[in-house]
Amino acid sequence: DAGVTQSPTHLIKTRGQQVTLRCSPKSGHDTVSWYQQALGQGPQFIFQYYEEEERQRGNFPDRFSGHQFPNYSSELNVNALLLGDSALYLCASSRPRSGYTFGSGTRLTVV
Amino acid sequence: AQSVTQPDIHITVSEGASLELRCNYSYGATPYLFWYVQSPGQGLQLLLKYFSGDTLVQGIKGFEAEFKRSQSSFNLRKPSVHWSDAAEYFCAARPPRNKLVFGAGTILRVKS
Repeated sequence: DAGVTQSPTHLIKTRGQQVTLRCSPKSGHDTVSWYQQALGQGPQFIFQYYEEEERQRGNFPDRFSGHQFPNYSSELNVNALLLGDSALYLCASSRPRSGYTFGSGTRLTVV
Repeated sequence: AQSVTQPDIHITVSEGASLELRCNYSYGATPYLFWYVQSPGQGLQLLLKYFSGDTLVQGIKGFEAEFKRSQSSFNLRKPSVHWSDAAEYFCAARPPRNKLVFGAGTILRVKS
């Protein structure tokens, strides 16, 4: 049974560019959450998707947007990249009364 | 403000010694509580979770955690640490129907 799959694993982008990160949830999970983890810090909540809608959002600017598809997979889009957006981006899937299952993350480097 | 606090940034223990990592939460009602482990450059692996019931929770890799409502704590323990346990450990809390919030993490070093 595959867990959470994220792609790509690594990415290098230039300031001002746009990026799309992808996530396939664990089988049986219907909720996807995205987190940003800067070096040396704990993961920070970006937003959560359920039934193809953004259900909750953390303290991130509108440059961060997302989408959930009917098969529960999800995308995270970041526009107008800044150097400070360099981080490990983690996707987690869940269902009611379950822990979150995390993917291995996408390491984004903005140069 | 609702939060999760891990007071220890780094902890070093000798291989074979016991381990306790501290976690305190600040929420109006008892949230769901979790411990995750992260190896460098990797994602987060769930060690154990507490929703309700028995306050002593058993997890994977020989870890356990005890929920203490009076102290708003959920400390992680292991009787005998192995070198492979060296990693970063995150405590996390989630009020029902709300997002999962992480502490800042505790880096565990194991010396032989």
